[in-house]
Amino acid sequence: DQQVKQNSPSLSVQEGRISILNCDYTNSMFDYFLWYKKYPAEGPTFLISISSIKDKNEDGRFTVFLNKSAKHLSLHIVPSQPGDSAVYFCAAKDSGNTGKLIFGQGTTLQVKP
Amino acid sequence: NAGVTQTPKFRILKIGQSMTLQCTQDMNHNYMYWYRQDPGMGLKLIYYSVGAGITDKGEVPNGYNVSRSTTEDFPLRLELAAPSQTSVYFCASSYIDEQFFGPGTRLTVL
Repeated sequence: DQQVKQNSPSLSVQEGRISILNCDYTNSMFDYFLWYKKYPAEGPTFLISISSIKDKNEDGRFTVFLNKSAKHLSLHIVPSQPGDSAVYFCAAKDSGNTGKLIFGQGTTLQVKP
Repeated sequence: NAGVTQTPKFRILKIGQSMTLQCTQDMNHNYMYWYRQDPGMGLKLIYYSVGAGITDKGEVPNGYNVSRSTTEDFPLRLELAAPSQTSVYFCASSYIDEQFFGPGTRLTVL
């Protein structure tokens, strides 16, 4: 049973437009959510996070929204740039003290010039 | 500050062979993790450690073993390699929430 789902395997947007990546989760015990970005042949790198007590967190061009009642979060990238083309993973951390993350399957974003 | 380093970058094994994937972090993080990523899939947790001397199984531990004798090192051992273990392996470490990942080891078992 997949606790974190990214239902869109890929997304293509034009440079300068908004990219919206979505993520759904099933476990209401998750208390922290993260987005990672991954380029080919590299490890994932942390992008932005949000605590379950907030509904929005913004960092430059990146904003993450959390809707707890819908168990849904989204990553907005505005404006999108060709360098943003990568695989984006959503991850959730449960409330235990192990630090374990549960990852979604990833969404491949292509930003066209 | 190198962060998380992994060796080797690539390896081809024959069925039944064994090997150790090395992982070292220089950030003094207590928490360390091993993941595997199969094509088109997310990262699956193999083993994790909350501190030196403490390890526990993740979601997909079968066929693997780990040890954590120091804060810095968290090697992953594959015994009797099988084709199903063909994957990209990532090591990560964290202080509290955000995990920092190594560059990965691409392993092929033929």
